[in-house]
Amino acid sequence: GAGVSQTPSNKVTEKGKYVELRCDPISGHTALYWYRQSLGQGPEFLIYFQGTGAADDSGLPNDRFFAVRPEGSVSTLKIQRTERGDSAVYLCASSLGLFDYNEQFFGPGTRLTVL
Amino acid sequence: TQLLEQSPQFLSIQEGENLTVYCNSSSVFSSLQWYRQEPGEGPVLLVTVVTGGEVKKLKRLTFQFGDARKDSSLHITAAQPGDTGLYLCAGTLRMDSSYKLIFGSGTRLLVRP
Repeated sequence: GAGVSQTPSNKVTEKGKYVELRCDPISGHTALYWYRQSLGQGPEFLIYFQGTGAADDSGLPNDRFFAVRPEGSVSTLKIQRTERGDSAVYLCASSLGLFDYNEQFFGPGTRLTVL
Repeated sequence: TQLLEQSPQFLSIQEGENLTVYCNSSSVFSSLQWYRQEPGEGPVLLVTVVTGGEVKKLKRLTFQFGDARKDSSLHITAAQPGDTGLYLCAGTLRMDSSYKLIFGSGTRLLVRP
């Protein structure tokens, strides 16, 4: 079946603009995760959903970042008033259930560049 | 401060050589995973180790979880150019009522033919 897909694959925006990044998880996966990967670093946890609710959003860096998953499937990561420091690859992953022993399947990521 | 320290950060070796990548922390993890990531793609899970002292083998790759579940190693025997990539370790931490997957900064491996 299809894996995790993310759109767009690349996004270039100007400082101060608003962006939305979309994630389509694997069908049937109830858990969905967002990570941010800066150049030369490993992925950094942002937020995860179990169903429609954000089970843990403690990784979001500040209130400019927000994510939703209204129907328990597709998720959107929203960034307001983008800053140059937001430039990174944003990865989405999904799993059958929550963390730990459930394998997370990652999408290819969205590369965000803030000019 | 990185919770999971990975070393080395970069490794360039000749085909046929052996290598070991280390992942260390002062925290205890409920499980530890190793991923491989290719350019333009997301990480792909190689293995999960759960029990302290556990050793798992995947063809030429050997993974070990430390007895205290704070560290892990990945050993590759007779490396091949196809092994080139970014190797990431990630530990699962139970925090309050949720889990977090904490990644190391990665080891970039280049295997020269």
